[in-house]
Amino acid sequence: GNSVTQMEGPVTLSEEAFLTINCTYTATGYPSLFWYVQYPGEGLQLLLKATKADDKGSNKGFEATYRKETTSFHLEKGSVQVSDSAVYFCARTVGGGGADGLTFGKGTHLIIQP
Amino acid sequence: KAGVTQTPRYLIKTRGQQVTLSCSPISGHRSVSWYQQTPGQGLQFLFEYFSETQRNKGNFPGRFSGRQFSNSRSEMNVSTLELGDSALYLCASSLWTENPQETQYFGPGTRLLVL
Repeated sequence: GNSVTQMEGPVTLSEEAFLTINCTYTATGYPSLFWYVQYPGEGLQLLLKATKADDKGSNKGFEATYRKETTSFHLEKGSVQVSDSAVYFCARTVGGGGADGLTFGKGTHLIIQP
Repeated sequence: KAGVTQTPRYLIKTRGQQVTLSCSPISGHRSVSWYQQTPGQGLQFLFEYFSETQRNKGNFPGRFSGRQFSNSRSEMNVSTLELGDSALYLCASSLWTENPQETQYFGPGTRLLVL
Protein backbone atom coordinates (compact mmCIF):
# COMPACT_ATOMS: atom_id res chain seq x y z
CA GLY A 1 0.00 0.00 0.00
CA ASN A 2 0.89 3.63 0.22
CA SER A 3 2.40 4.67 3.52
CA VAL A 4 4.75 7.19 5.06
CA THR A 5 6.96 6.50 8.03
CA GLN A 6 8.61 9.24 10.01
CA MET A 7 10.44 9.38 13.28
CA GLU A 8 8.12 10.17 16.13
CA GLY A 9 9.01 12.55 18.87
CA PRO A 10 9.28 14.45 20.76
CA VAL A 11 12.59 15.59 19.35
CA THR A 12 14.23 18.12 21.65
CA LEU A 13 17.09 20.29 20.43
CA SER A 14 18.88 23.39 21.57
CA GLU A 15 18.62 26.59 19.57
CA GLU A 16 21.06 26.72 16.63
CA ALA A 17 21.40 22.93 16.52
CA PHE A 18 21.23 20.98 13.27
CA LEU A 19 17.91 19.28 12.58
CA THR A 20 17.13 16.10 10.71
CA ILE A 21 13.70 14.50 10.70
CA ASN A 22 13.66 11.22 8.82
CA CYS A 23 10.86 10.28 6.45
CA THR A 24 10.53 7.24 4.20
CA TYR A 25 7.69 6.29 1.88
CA THR A 26 6.52 3.15 0.17
CA ALA A 27 7.71 2.99 -3.41
CA THR A 28 4.38 2.68 -5.22
CA GLY A 29 3.65 4.91 -8.15
CA TYR A 30 5.32 8.26 -8.66
CA PRO A 31 4.22 10.33 -5.70
CA SER A 32 4.80 13.95 -4.94
CA LEU A 33 6.25 14.45 -1.47
CA PHE A 34 5.51 17.17 1.04
CA TRP A 35 6.45 18.46 4.45
CA TYR A 36 3.72 20.24 6.37
CA VAL A 37 4.06 22.00 9.72
CA GLN A 38 1.39 22.41 12.37
CA TYR A 39 1.69 25.01 15.12
CA PRO A 40 -0.36 24.58 18.30
CA GLY A 41 -4.05 25.12 17.72
CA GLU A 42 -3.67 25.64 13.99
CA GLY A 43 -4.14 23.75 10.76
CA LEU A 44 -1.39 22.48 8.50
CA GLN A 45 0.90 24.81 6.61
CA LEU A 46 2.85 23.66 3.59
CA LEU A 47 6.55 23.89 4.35
CA LEU A 48 8.04 22.49 1.14
CA LYS A 49 7.45 19.96 -1.59
CA ALA A 50 9.18 17.93 -4.29
CA THR A 51 7.46 16.36 -7.26
CA LYS A 52 10.07 14.07 -8.80
CA ALA A 53 13.26 12.20 -8.00
CA ASP A 54 16.28 14.36 -7.06
CA ASP A 55 14.13 17.46 -6.64
CA LYS A 56 15.03 19.55 -3.61
CA GLY A 57 12.32 21.49 -1.82
CA SER A 58 13.34 24.39 0.37
CA ASN A 59 11.68 27.08 2.45
CA LYS A 60 12.54 29.14 5.54
CA GLY A 61 15.91 27.40 5.87
CA PHE A 62 14.40 23.92 5.70
CA GLU A 63 15.37 21.53 2.92
CA ALA A 64 14.40 18.04 1.79
CA THR A 65 15.55 16.04 -1.22
CA TYR A 66 13.41 13.43 -3.00
CA ARG A 67 15.57 10.30 -2.94
CA LYS A 68 14.02 7.58 -5.06
CA GLU A 69 16.84 5.10 -4.48
CA THR A 70 16.32 5.17 -0.73
CA THR A 71 12.60 6.15 -0.86
CA SER A 72 13.33 8.97 1.55
CA PHE A 73 12.50 12.65 1.98
CA HIS A 74 14.36 13.69 5.11
CA LEU A 75 13.81 17.21 6.44
CA GLU A 76 16.88 19.22 7.43
CA LYS A 77 17.68 22.64 8.80
CA GLY A 78 21.12 23.91 9.62
CA SER A 79 20.27 26.07 12.62
CA VAL A 80 16.92 25.77 14.36
CA GLN A 81 15.16 28.51 16.28
CA VAL A 82 12.70 28.42 19.16
CA SER A 83 10.01 29.51 16.71
CA ASP A 84 10.51 26.23 14.77
CA SER A 85 8.87 24.33 17.63
CA ALA A 86 5.87 22.59 16.07
CA VAL A 87 4.69 19.24 14.73
CA TYR A 88 6.08 18.29 11.32
CA PHE A 89 4.27 15.94 8.96
CA CYS A 90 5.71 14.15 5.97
CA ALA A 91 3.14 13.30 3.30
CA ARG A 92 2.84 11.76 -0.15
CA THR A 93 0.24 11.78 -2.83
CA VAL A 94 -1.40 8.48 -3.56
CA GLY A 95 -0.63 7.37 -7.07
CA GLY A 96 -0.41 10.04 -9.72
CA GLY A 97 -3.14 12.44 -8.74
CA GLY A 98 -4.60 14.33 -5.86
CA ALA A 99 -7.99 12.67 -5.97
CA ASP A 100 -6.95 9.99 -3.54
CA GLY A 101 -5.85 12.47 -0.95
CA LEU A 102 -2.59 12.65 0.88
CA THR A 103 -1.11 9.93 3.06
CA PHE A 104 0.58 11.37 6.13
CA GLY A 105 3.17 10.14 8.56
CA LYS A 106 2.31 10.20 12.26
CA GLY A 107 4.03 13.53 12.78
CA THR A 108 7.18 14.53 14.65
CA HIS A 109 6.87 16.89 17.57
CA LEU A 110 9.88 19.19 17.58
CA ILE A 111 10.80 21.17 20.68
CA ILE A 112 13.55 23.78 20.48
CA GLN A 113 14.94 25.00 23.78
CA PRO A 114 16.62 28.41 24.10
CA LYS B 1 -5.89 35.99 -1.55
CA ALA B 2 -7.84 34.62 1.40
CA GLY B 3 -6.95 31.14 2.61
CA VAL B 4 -9.16 28.17 3.26
CA THR B 5 -11.81 28.99 5.84
CA GLN B 6 -13.69 26.56 8.01
CA THR B 7 -16.72 27.09 10.21
CA PRO B 8 -17.34 26.65 12.99
CA ARG B 9 -13.93 26.49 14.62
CA TYR B 10 -15.16 24.65 17.68
CA LEU B 11 -18.18 22.47 18.27
CA ILE B 12 -19.52 20.40 21.14
CA LYS B 13 -22.13 17.73 20.47
CA THR B 14 -23.54 14.73 22.29
CA ARG B 15 -23.60 11.13 21.17
CA GLY B 16 -26.30 10.36 18.64
CA GLN B 17 -26.52 13.87 17.28
CA GLN B 18 -25.44 14.90 13.83
CA VAL B 19 -23.13 17.70 12.78
CA THR B 20 -22.38 19.69 9.63
CA LEU B 21 -19.04 21.35 9.03
CA SER B 22 -18.38 23.91 6.34
CA CYS B 23 -15.34 24.70 4.22
CA SER B 24 -14.72 27.54 1.78
CA PRO B 25 -11.74 26.89 -0.48
CA ILE B 26 -9.23 29.40 -1.76
CA SER B 27 -10.74 31.44 -4.57
CA GLY B 28 -10.28 29.59 -7.86
CA HIS B 29 -9.66 26.23 -6.24
CA ARG B 30 -12.09 23.58 -7.38
CA SER B 31 -10.97 20.58 -5.36
CA VAL B 32 -11.77 20.15 -1.68
CA SER B 33 -10.53 17.32 0.52
CA TRP B 34 -11.41 16.48 4.10
CA TYR B 35 -9.22 14.88 6.73
CA GLN B 36 -9.74 13.73 10.28
CA GLN B 37 -6.94 14.24 12.79
CA THR B 38 -6.88 12.36 16.10
CA PRO B 39 -4.03 11.67 18.53
CA GLY B 40 -4.37 7.93 18.02
CA GLN B 41 -4.83 7.61 14.26
CA GLY B 42 -3.12 10.77 13.09
CA LEU B 43 -4.27 12.37 9.86
CA GLN B 44 -6.65 10.28 7.79
CA PHE B 45 -8.23 11.07 4.43
CA LEU B 46 -12.02 11.23 4.48
CA PHE B 47 -13.04 12.20 0.95
CA GLU B 48 -12.37 14.54 -1.92
CA TYR B 49 -14.73 16.55 -4.09
CA PHE B 50 -14.21 18.12 -7.47
CA SER B 51 -16.87 19.83 -9.54
CA GLU B 52 -19.57 18.78 -7.10
CA THR B 53 -18.63 15.11 -7.44
CA GLN B 54 -17.05 12.89 -4.85
CA ARG B 55 -13.90 11.58 -6.51
CA ASN B 56 -12.62 9.34 -3.79
CA LYS B 57 -13.40 8.27 -0.27
CA GLY B 58 -11.23 7.03 2.56
CA ASN B 59 -11.94 4.15 4.86
CA PHE B 60 -14.68 5.69 7.00
CA PRO B 61 -18.22 4.45 7.73
CA GLY B 62 -21.23 5.74 5.84
CA ARG B 63 -22.08 8.06 8.74
CA PHE B 64 -19.50 10.38 7.22
CA SER B 65 -20.72 12.14 4.11
CA GLY B 66 -20.10 15.32 2.23
CA ARG B 67 -21.07 17.44 -0.68
CA GLN B 68 -19.75 20.26 -2.78
CA PHE B 69 -21.66 23.19 -4.17
CA SER B 70 -21.33 24.92 -7.51
CA ASN B 71 -19.19 27.65 -5.93
CA SER B 72 -16.78 24.91 -4.71
CA ARG B 73 -17.73 25.37 -1.07
CA SER B 74 -18.03 22.04 0.69
CA GLU B 75 -19.78 20.61 3.69
CA MET B 76 -19.24 17.40 5.54
CA ASN B 77 -21.81 15.72 7.72
CA VAL B 78 -21.43 13.18 10.45
CA SER B 79 -24.60 11.46 11.61
CA THR B 80 -25.21 9.49 14.80
CA LEU B 81 -22.12 10.88 16.45
CA GLU B 82 -19.91 8.58 18.52
CA LEU B 83 -17.35 9.50 21.16
CA GLY B 84 -14.61 8.41 18.79
CA ASP B 85 -15.63 11.06 16.29
CA SER B 86 -14.05 13.69 18.52
CA ALA B 87 -11.27 15.09 16.37
CA LEU B 88 -9.91 18.01 14.44
CA TYR B 89 -11.48 18.02 10.98
CA LEU B 90 -9.32 19.65 8.37
CA CYS B 91 -10.34 20.84 4.97
CA ALA B 92 -7.86 21.35 2.15
CA SER B 93 -8.27 22.89 -1.27
CA SER B 94 -6.27 22.63 -4.45
CA LEU B 95 -6.57 23.91 -7.98
CA TRP B 96 -6.97 20.68 -9.92
CA THR B 97 -7.02 17.09 -8.84
CA GLU B 98 -5.50 15.46 -11.93
CA ASN B 99 -2.17 17.21 -11.62
CA PRO B 100 0.04 15.34 -9.15
CA GLN B 101 2.00 18.50 -8.51
CA GLU B 102 -0.95 20.37 -7.18
CA THR B 103 -0.50 21.30 -3.58
CA GLN B 104 -3.25 21.05 -1.01
CA TYR B 105 -3.71 24.10 1.21
CA PHE B 106 -5.26 23.49 4.58
CA GLY B 107 -7.71 25.45 6.67
CA PRO B 108 -7.43 25.94 10.45
CA GLY B 109 -9.78 23.05 11.14
CA THR B 110 -12.95 22.50 13.12
CA ARG B 111 -12.42 20.91 16.51
CA LEU B 112 -15.34 18.63 17.33
CA LEU B 113 -15.89 17.28 20.82
CA VAL B 114 -18.51 14.58 21.28
CA LEU B 115 -19.74 14.09 24.84
